[in-house]
Amino acid sequence: GQSLEQPSEVTAVEGAIVQINCTYQTSGFYGLSWYQQHDGGAPTFLSYNALDGLEETGRFSSFLSRSDSYGYLLLQELQMKDSASYFCAVSLNNAGNMLTFGGGTRLMVKP
Amino acid sequence: DSGVTQTPKHLITATGQRVTLRCSPRSGDLSVYWYQQSLDQGLQFLIQYYNGEERAKGNILERFSAQQFPDLHSELNLSSLELGDSALYFCASSVGYQETQYFGPGTRLLVL
Repeated sequence: GQSLEQPSEVTAVEGAIVQINCTYQTSGFYGLSWYQQHDGGAPTFLSYNALDGLEETGRFSSFLSRSDSYGYLLLQELQMKDSASYFCAVSLNNAGNMLTFGGGTRLMVKP
Repeated sequence: DSGVTQTPKHLITATGQRVTLRCSPRSGDLSVYWYQQSLDQGLQFLIQYYNGEERAKGNILERFSAQQFPDLHSELNLSSLELGDSALYFCASSVGYQETQYFGPGTRLLVL
């Protein structure tokens, strides 16, 4: 089966930089996605990596190392509205496109 | 707003009952996915349809079934409901079957 590990909670201050790590164990790895979810809301797509390296989208960046089965989400210039849960999810190289999600990291941004 | 719509937003029902959740994908998307999110199990993939055909199946209970119609909307049917089925049910859609998935607002199901 597949398993993903990410920290359960992270706290940071407004304006700071925070990194959320994700390690995975899976066969047939295709790509790693990151989603943001506010309480009571829907998961919102943030970033996707299929190849090694860094993908940058505004204040958010995501990194993948396939050889290390490791990725991270980097959030810069933190704002209060970034307080949410962040999920990494793997997609597999199979007939479908199911996402297997990690347990989520709850980020609290303090003033 | 992702463009994915789900109805109803909230559903309260009793054990043993049957409910149907509805999802309309983003315009142009052919794939529809169903996920269940509960406190103890997290976000779990249930089933995927692509252009009307079942494409992948996850940990979906036999009491649950789904289908995708010719107009590409999808329904998730939950029967013989148990207390443990109380959860948020999300639908997501993507253009094909290896592209980014966009999630709808979810249906919150409470089984009493």
